[in-house]
Amino acid sequence: QLVLTQSPSASASLGASVKLTCTLSSGHSSYAIAWHQQQPEKGPRYLMKLNSDGSHSKGDGIPDRFSGSSSGPERYLTISSLQSEDEADYYCQTWGTGTPYVFGTGTKVTIL
Amino acid sequence: EVHLLESGGGLVQPGGSLRLSCAASGFTFSSYAMSWVRQTPGKGLEWVSVISGSGGSTFYADSVKGRFTISRDKSKSTLYLQMNSLRAEDTAVYYCAKSASGDYFDYWGQGTLVTVSS
Repeated sequence: QLVLTQSPSASASLGASVKLTCTLSSGHSSYAIAWHQQQPEKGPRYLMKLNSDGSHSKGDGIPDRFSGSSSGPERYLTISSLQSEDEADYYCQTWGTGTPYVFGTGTKVTIL
Repeated sequence: EVHLLESGGGLVQPGGSLRLSCAASGFTFSSYAMSWVRQTPGKGLEWVSVISGSGGSTFYADSVKGRFTISRDKSKSTLYLQMNSLRAEDTAVYYCAKSASGDYFDYWGQGTLVTVSS
């Protein structure tokens, strides 16, 4: 079964960096994912598509502070030079044949 | 610039019906699959349904299969979700989302709230 696992929370200070992890279930380590950001009281916003080789393509207007990388079944989102507007929930998403679209449970990023 | 604007949410009694709409602009509507995704208050995202660009193929989450129907109108660049036999657990903010190429979502609407309660 295709499942994405995320830690529920992460925190870092203003100006620092934070690295979020999304783990693909066993047997799905080659899958690409997408990262989405959801600021409080807003709809989600597409950040990037991240492939298994670490290559990624960002959405329109996404700052260079957002980057992605991969290692085995893990997909990472790194936010550098954290700003106040980066305080949000971050969801990973993938797609498969059994269930067309799957979301992780989300990671809430708090700026200290 | 791509815009997706949902409407049609509101308060409905259990067993009732509601139709959501999503007006799309800024891209060739018929060229892209479109989905509905919902979010229970305070919880995560759940994919609900997808329709192909032509409208010829549709898929549903098991939780809504047989009760919800997705459709699209090319002439109006509008996506719809007909929701019947609504249950309390269908209470959520419903988002429409554009698929980049049938895989990930590259644009989202701002959402419309559906509350199922007596």
